[in-house]
Amino acid sequence: DSGVTQTPKHLITATGQRVTLRCSPRSGDLSVYWYQQSLDQGLQFLIHYYNGEERAKGNILERFSAQQFPDLHSELNLSSLELGDSALYFCASSPVTPNYGYTFGSGTRLTVV
Amino acid sequence: EDQVTQSPEALRLQEGESSSLNCSYTVSGLRGLFWYRQDPGKGPEFLFTLYSAGEEKEKERLKATLTKKESFLHITAPKPEDSATYLCAVQAGDYKLSFGAGTTVTVRA
Repeated sequence: DSGVTQTPKHLITATGQRVTLRCSPRSGDLSVYWYQQSLDQGLQFLIHYYNGEERAKGNILERFSAQQFPDLHSELNLSSLELGDSALYFCASSPVTPNYGYTFGSGTRLTVV
Repeated sequence: EDQVTQSPEALRLQEGESSSLNCSYTVSGLRGLFWYRQDPGKGPEFLFTLYSAGEEKEKERLKATLTKKESFLHITAPKPEDSATYLCAVQAGDYKLSFGAGTTVTVRA
């Protein structure tokens, strides 16, 4: 157990639907990062939150949004889902600076049918 | 934009057959180079951080080295349990890590 908790582990939904992925960071970590991993794209950075504030955005679609709550857990909202959104979604956390690497959760596997 | 290229894409080794994985990078102002191990269906697991050219880090059968343009992950006398995908990532000015596509290592007994 890495200390980063992601729920649900698996999610199957239909095109056009909306889903919410949840992440609880490791105790004491203030930063949360979201990544998407698909077979043909590798790990792609989506967004970074630090202590409730958005710090950096990557290649995140407008249909996707995220937030970090006062208790530091984070949610990634995916809407108007398309088949191409099927992927593994990882959350990672780190202390103030990730000098010793992020700690990744075990991921949420999203399948859009 | 930061670029990370890993080679080879896949590596098949016999148990005990040492080899090296390559990670070449282009980044403005490298803050750190990271190596992760990822098993199928699981999240990446942190292995090493390297900060400056000439630095080396070791962990069991793994040794990571860094030059100004690339990093190598050496696997010495690998065992089947070393089979995994090894990911390289760079960190520049902000805190995000940019990952390479990975090298999938298969070690046969």
